[in-house]
Amino acid sequence: DAGVIQSPRHEVTEMGQEVTLRCKPISGHNSLFWYRQTMMRGLELLIYFNNNVPIDDSGMPEDRFSAKMPNASFSTLKIQPSEPRDSAVYFCASTRDTDTQYFGPGTRLTVL
Amino acid sequence: AQSVTQPDIHITVSEGASLELRCNYSYGATPYLFWYVQSPGQGLQLLLKYFSGDTLVQGIKGFEAEFKRSQSSFNLRKPSVHWSDAAEYFCAVARNSGNTPLVFGKGTRLSVIA
Repeated sequence: DAGVIQSPRHEVTEMGQEVTLRCKPISGHNSLFWYRQTMMRGLELLIYFNNNVPIDDSGMPEDRFSAKMPNASFSTLKIQPSEPRDSAVYFCASTRDTDTQYFGPGTRLTVL
Repeated sequence: AQSVTQPDIHITVSEGASLELRCNYSYGATPYLFWYVQSPGQGLQLLLKYFSGDTLVQGIKGFEAEFKRSQSSFNLRKPSVHWSDAAEYFCAVARNSGNTPLVFGKGTRLSVIA
């Protein structure tokens, strides 16, 4: 199994630019989670989907953040416009039913 | 609301020594508890989980954890630490098994010295 795939692994962009992070969950998994990791706040949930439907987006910091899951094998997290405080590592995780969440390697985002 | 406290930010142990990482949670019902490990620049790998049943759970890499309801704790242990165990360890709690969001502690960084 390929595991959860995230791209890009590293992203450096300038303030004001649009950033799109991508995630491919493990095949057969029906729940997908986006987490953000920062030194100050640790690991925190941004949004999660169940069967491609957003269930809880209360962790999305602002309207600048949006996430989609157009099908069971792909999700995006978009930041527009990006700001330096968005610099963090963004993790995607997936699970099937009541099983364990499996994490991707993360995308390290730096906004200058 | 759920919360997780990992009181130790950084622990240093000698190779071959025993290890215990502390985790306390706050949640009204029976929690679903997890320990994850993160090596530098890597994602999170599940070490073990507790959903119900035997309160002493065994995980990968020789780790175990014990759920103590009376103390609201889920401490991680290993009898003999290897240099490769140096990493960041996260305790997490979920409302219902694995398909609900995890609430993480701030993590404990483990350093291993010769």
